[in-house]
Amino acid sequence: DAKTTQPPSMDCAEGRAANLPCNHSTISGNEYVYWYRQIHSQGPQYIIHGLKNNETNEMASLIITEDRKSSTLILPHATLRDTAVYYCIVRVYGDDKIIFGKGTRLHILP
Amino acid sequence: GAVVSQHPSRVICKSGTSVKIECRSLDFQATTMFWYRQFPKKSLMLMATSNEGSKATYEQGVEKDKFLINHASLTLSTLTVTSAHPEDSSFYICSAQGVGGDYGYTFGSGTRLTVV
Repeated sequence: DAKTTQPPSMDCAEGRAANLPCNHSTISGNEYVYWYRQIHSQGPQYIIHGLKNNETNEMASLIITEDRKSSTLILPHATLRDTAVYYCIVRVYGDDKIIFGKGTRLHILP
Repeated sequence: GAVVSQHPSRVICKSGTSVKIECRSLDFQATTMFWYRQFPKKSLMLMATSNEGSKATYEQGVEKDKFLINHASLTLSTLTVTSAHPEDSSFYICSAQGVGGDYGYTFGSGTRLTVV
């Protein structure tokens, strides 16, 4: 079973920052937070992952609360191409499975 | 970056026939590959895990005789849907884990199977 809870859908205006929340209250000390997204009829795409420190790459930023029970994925300047389902996943680094929850369907509004 | 090629992207077959889907890691060796299926507007469901040279491990409720998985080399895994029925119509996606640990997992682009 998925260990995360995400809102089923969100809207964001084009050009604004999209902030996608994720709750993972039962996360273990050795579990990382991963984010993937799936654009319609494509395979999932890795976005970012982190353990406890905030992380940033060319796609997004990941903010993890100090107690690690929740996190937020930030797309700094959303475009129409960011319309997708975003999945927050917790797993042990190097573990052999990725179990997907229901994700958040992000709609970018022109 | 790591690339996983999945083929075909779309396939239509008749009920009772078998369909093979290929998943190749193009620029890395994949010790482990995973197969998922996804119904419209639903999340991905893990079907099985395959390790090179050994039998696949199927998730509970997945019929191993219906969904045959072969992982004969470090760059190729195949999923064969045997005696396909309309209810097998779905989006099938593979992913691969590279040698040496966690590369963030790379997913194929998926195969849309329609059984008529």
